[in-house]
Amino acid sequence: AQSVTQLGSHVSVSEGALVLLRCNYSSSVPPYLFWYVQYPNQGLQLLLKYTSAATLVKGINGFEAEFKKSETSFHLTKPSAHMSDAAEYFCAVMPPVLSGGSNYKLTFGKGTLLTVNP
Amino acid sequence: DAGITQSPRYKITETGRQVTLMCHQTWSHSYMFWYRQDLGHGLRLIYYSAAADITDKGEVPDGYVVSRSKTENFPLTLESATRSQTSVYFCASSTSGRDYNEQFFGPGTRLTVL
Repeated sequence: AQSVTQLGSHVSVSEGALVLLRCNYSSSVPPYLFWYVQYPNQGLQLLLKYTSAATLVKGINGFEAEFKKSETSFHLTKPSAHMSDAAEYFCAVMPPVLSGGSNYKLTFGKGTLLTVNP
Repeated sequence: DAGITQSPRYKITETGRQVTLMCHQTWSHSYMFWYRQDLGHGLRLIYYSAAADITDKGEVPDGYVVSRSKTENFPLTLESATRSQTSVYFCASSTSGRDYNEQFFGPGTRLTVL
């Protein structure tokens, strides 16, 4: 079974500082991995996704994530935080179809709330 | 409006009442999903549908019923609401054809069961 662990339910950074949100997955085969962002009172929006094409994935709003198979990690980073980045971030995993998975079941982590201080 | 919409956005009901949450998408996406979001649990899949008239259970289906007579609609019904079903409910949709398709989420329905 697939699972996702997000280390740190709450991360606080200063404006202009590095953002690092951690995500580790558990899977018997390399899965597809996603980062979603949720702004207050809104639905989730896709930031980026890893689909095995490249290990370093660039997303919207200056975010990027690196897939590291040896560490089973997919951490989200941004060099310089903006006030507008304050939101909740969710890592999610989907098993590849060829491994017996489906092309629709996302398993989400519990989320990390990012606070950006002025 | 194009996209995925949910109604109502907010709902307060009483224990034992039947409640239906609506979800409508304009993209003709094959797949649709219902999630609930609770503090400390992230999002958990309730039900999903691969096409009209095809539905299946997710991780937490007990107490919920779904139907999908038309591709664009995917209502979620709580047949007899309980306080444990107080939550924020999100509907999502995605296309088929690739096994890593993005799911697009609606704005959510905040349900309170008294």
